[in-house]
Amino acid sequence: NAGVTQTPKFQVLKTGQSMTLQCAQDMNHEYMSWYRQDPGMGLRLIHYSVGAGITDQGEVPNGYNVSRSTTEDFPLRLLSAAPSQTSVYFCASSPPTGFQETQYFGPGTRLLVL
Amino acid sequence: DAKTTQPTSMDCAEGRAANLPCNHSTISGNEYVYWYRQIHSQGPQYIIHGLKNNETNEMASLIITEDRKSSTLILPHATLRDTAVYYCIVRGTSGTYKYIFGTGTRLKVLA
Repeated sequence: NAGVTQTPKFQVLKTGQSMTLQCAQDMNHEYMSWYRQDPGMGLRLIHYSVGAGITDQGEVPNGYNVSRSTTEDFPLRLLSAAPSQTSVYFCASSPPTGFQETQYFGPGTRLLVL
Repeated sequence: DAKTTQPTSMDCAEGRAANLPCNHSTISGNEYVYWYRQIHSQGPQYIIHGLKNNETNEMASLIITEDRKSSTLILPHATLRDTAVYYCIVRGTSGTYKYIFGTGTRLKVLA
């Protein structure tokens, strides 16, 4: 298994540009989530999904859109990038084993918005 | 979900036990305590979790006080590779599947 994969690893955007951060997992996990981590800070939940077709907002959803059309993929879209969205973005997934499931994290995408 | 409080940083000598405390005084009866760590800039890694009994696995031990208002993660023989940020998370068993990460404890293992 490849686990949780994220692409790209690094991206530079100009203010106002849009882009999609990709996240995929091959473990048949139902739960997937996106976090952002600013320098020196902990992770903050952006959006999450408990299964295909179901998404919900986390702590900091503004400026981001998500969709979940398949179990494997959970892309994160920035509609109009802003410098405040400069961060490291982590995707995570969990198996459907009830409420004691643990999360598996991807390697992260480092985003710089100029 | 209950909030957690952790010290900002700690040092530990290599080979000694590292004891990382976490306060979760507002924890409710159905909320579990989870520990993750983040080495350098990698994605966080699961360590251990528990409800009210002490737990042990190949990585660490988790000691939860009887009133469940605090817990301690114990790395029995810390190595340089255990240098990381350690996050204590309290998470319920109903509703939203949300994990709320705080700022964690930066553990530095010294040679």
